[in-house]
Amino acid sequence: DQQVKQNSPSLSVQEGRISILNCDYTNSMFDYFLWYKKYPAEGPTFLISISSIKDKNEDGRFTVFLNKSAKHLSLHIVPSQPGDSAVYFCAAGGSQGNLIFGKGTKLSVKP
Amino acid sequence: KAGVTQTPRYLIKTRGQQVTLSCSPISGHRSVSWYQQTPGQGLQFLFEYFSETQRNKGNFPGRFSGRQFSNSRSEMNVSTLELGDSALYLCASSLVTENTGELFFGEGSRLTVL
Repeated sequence: DQQVKQNSPSLSVQEGRISILNCDYTNSMFDYFLWYKKYPAEGPTFLISISSIKDKNEDGRFTVFLNKSAKHLSLHIVPSQPGDSAVYFCAAGGSQGNLIFGKGTKLSVKP
Repeated sequence: KAGVTQTPRYLIKTRGQQVTLSCSPISGHRSVSWYQQTPGQGLQFLFEYFSETQRNKGNFPGRFSGRQFSNSRSEMNVSTLELGDSALYLCASSLVTENTGELFFGEGSRLTVL
């Protein structure tokens, strides 16, 4: 049973445009959500997070939106840059202690 | 400050063998988690150690085991290797587990089982 779902395996965006990566979850008890970015041959690196008590968190070009009623969160990257091309993982955590990750979305930003 | 260090980075084993992977967390981090990444499956949680105690365990068979030492370094072991165990094994450390959940990952150990 997949508690964190990223239904789009890949996304292609033009440089300078907005990238929107989506994530759905099933467990309403999650306390926080995170996005990680992963380049090939490297470990995932933390990008941005949001607490379940908030609906938006912004850090530079990256904004995460949380819709608790829909159990949905999204990551917006504006403007997208070629260096943003990577696999993005959505993750959720709570009282269970460990992070639960989605399967990832591969973002390609074309010059 | 040194990051999370995993050794070896790459290894090849044959079915039936066993393997031990090592992880040195960031200095001061007492929590170490292990994840398995396979194509199309994302990161699947194996187990988490805190102060030498296993605090959480994922849904993996008993062939997968781990431990943590007093200096917070951790090892994971996979016995009786199967072809399906071929994956990138990622170790991550954090200061504590009950916070915002931010994990710091190593570069991983890529295991190929032939």
